[in-house]
Amino acid sequence: RKEVEQDPGPFNVPEGATVAFNCTYSNSASQSFFWYRQDCRKEPKLLMSVYSSGNEDGRFTAQLNRASQYISLLIRDSKLSDSATYLCVVNFYGGSQGNLIFGKGTKLSVKP
Amino acid sequence: DAGVTQSPTHLIKTRGQQVTLRCSPKSGHDTVSWYQQALGQGPQFIFQYYEEEERQRGNFPDRFSGHQFPNYSSELNVNALLLGDSALYLCASSTGTSKLEQYFGPGTRLTVT
Repeated sequence: RKEVEQDPGPFNVPEGATVAFNCTYSNSASQSFFWYRQDCRKEPKLLMSVYSSGNEDGRFTAQLNRASQYISLLIRDSKLSDSATYLCVVNFYGGSQGNLIFGKGTKLSVKP
Repeated sequence: DAGVTQSPTHLIKTRGQQVTLRCSPKSGHDTVSWYQQALGQGPQFIFQYYEEEERQRGNFPDRFSGHQFPNYSSELNVNALLLGDSALYLCASSTGTSKLEQYFGPGTRLTVT
């Protein structure tokens, strides 16, 4: 089983749609969780950290379910500029050991 | 405030050759991590340098080695290149106190023929 698994893509949605990405992780000792965004042929950029209580940043909402080892990202009112690959990222060891474990990513295409 | 920089941007090498990639961390950062991203995959952790020492290593062979200099910049060396080493190599920097908040450079795209 892969350490971090994401929904297969691509997701093709119209502007204004709500889209949800899901991710599961295998190591129950995982401590930190993130969503990164990667544009085509560019570097990954941190979109948001994911906290146990869930967190929101504008149109983006992230949720964590530790019992199910499941992370989600919801994008509301999607824009053309949201088109990118969304990477689910987990750290198993906490801040003292900073290696990030990435999923394969889910590609989102927002159409006019 | 300069972000993470990497050089070169693109590189073409032949099987069996050796390559050195370079990274300068974001101003104020002292920790450098290297990742390999194959086409269609997420980045995979290679190793992390802090205080000029390799602190953690992912599942990569000894052909992959690195170095960190006193100014915190870093090099990634790959010996005896294989076709499968073709990938985007990403450098990420962070601080000693917040290693998880990593900022990525634009990467070096390595093609092995």
